[in-house]
Parts: sequence; structure tokens; C-alpha cells
Amino acid sequence: EDKVVQSPLSLVVHEGDTVTLNCSYEVTNFRSLLWYKQEKKAPTFLFMLTSSGIEKKSGRLSSILDKKELFSILNITATQTGDSAVYLCAVESYYGGSQGNLIFGKGTKLSVKP
Amino acid sequence: NAGVTQTPKFQVLKTGQSMTLQCAQDMNHEYMSWYRQDPGMGLRLIHYSVGAGITDQGEVPNGYNVSRSTTEDFPLRLLSAAPSQTSVYFCASSYVGRLDEQYFGPGTRLTVT
Repeated sequence: EDKVVQSPLSLVVHEGDTVTLNCSYEVTNFRSLLWYKQEKKAPTFLFMLTSSGIEKKSGRLSSILDKKELFSILNITATQTGDSAVYLCAVESYYGGSQGNLIFGKGTKLSVKP
Repeated sequence: NAGVTQTPKFQVLKTGQSMTLQCAQDMNHEYMSWYRQDPGMGLRLIHYSVGAGITDQGEVPNGYNVSRSTTEDFPLRLLSAAPSQTSVYFCASSYVGRLDEQYFGPGTRLTVT
């Protein structure tokens, strides 16, 4: 059975801290791994990773994928209160054709205190 | 573009009632999907479609029906609501093969009593 496991499930830090969120997966027919941020509404897209070892970066956020060890990390440096959210990891699994479906982890709830 | 719209935003049903959650997009996306999100959980795929007339089951399809008669619309039907279907429902759309550009609707919060 395909599964995506995120850790930790929740995390409390202070502004300025650096955090690392983890995502491991066991998925047949892996195609890509995506990270989302969710703030009490629909998820918003952060990154899509398809190749091992290539870091994706956007401002203070960065992410990398290890397809051999089947995991990804999301790093947030110099955290701000606006980073407080649930971070979702999802893996795209496909069964032929050009369209895959997403399998989500349970998310990591990040709380950043002033 | 309105993006992905969902109606209603909130709904309360009694056990056994049926209803349809509406989803529409105006971006000419082929791929549309329905997810449910329960407290403390990620999203779980209910049904999806890769084009008009084509639908398929996701991870948790039981108790739900879908149809795709047009590219724009992808309604989700609850046949006989159960308390276990209390959840937040998200509709999403994208071009085929472009999940990195998937647009989510604002969600429908459904409570079944």
C-alpha cells in the first residue's frame, strides 16, 4: 500500500529559528514529490521535486529529494510568525499515461512564536 | 478567470440525506479531482477525471459518485450521507501532467448529523 509519512506531526519554534520538516514515502510508480503550505484554507503549492539531490529554493524555503532513500526535507530558515501553517507533503504516483494522482501525508503543523 | 469555484461553502445534512457538491473551473483544465480532509489528516483522493466523460476512483470512493459531462464541471454526489462523511471537501483542477500547477477550490465544510 502506498504511503507518505511526515515527521514531526507538530513543531513549535521561536521566530528566527531554522526548522527541518521530513517526508518519507513508499509509493509504487513514483513520479514526483510536492510540498504545500496550508493555512486554514486550501493548500498552496511550494515545490515540486522530481530529481534526487537538486535543491529547490524560494526565499527562506528550500527542499531536496533523495530517491534512493525515499525521503525529502523542507527547510525554513529565519522563521517568521507568518510561516505558521500545516505543511503537507504529497507524492505523485502514476499508472500509465501522463497523469498521476497525489498521495498526501498527514502534514506537519508548524507554530512560530514571536 | 474565476479559477476553481465550489458551492456551497458550508452544509449540514442529516444521516441518509443526499446532496451534490458543485465544482467548476474556467481554465479549460482536463484533470479535475475531489479530495476530503479530516482533522489532523492530509488530503485523500475521492474521485478524479482526466476529461469529459472519463472518471475514475481514488483512494476513498465509497459513498460518493461523480460525473463529468463537460470540461468545466465536476460535481460530487453523496448518495446517502453518513456521519463518517463529515469533512472538508476540496475540488482541484490542472492540465494533465501538471500537478505543480494544480488549482484548489476554497473548500466545502460538510457536517452530517
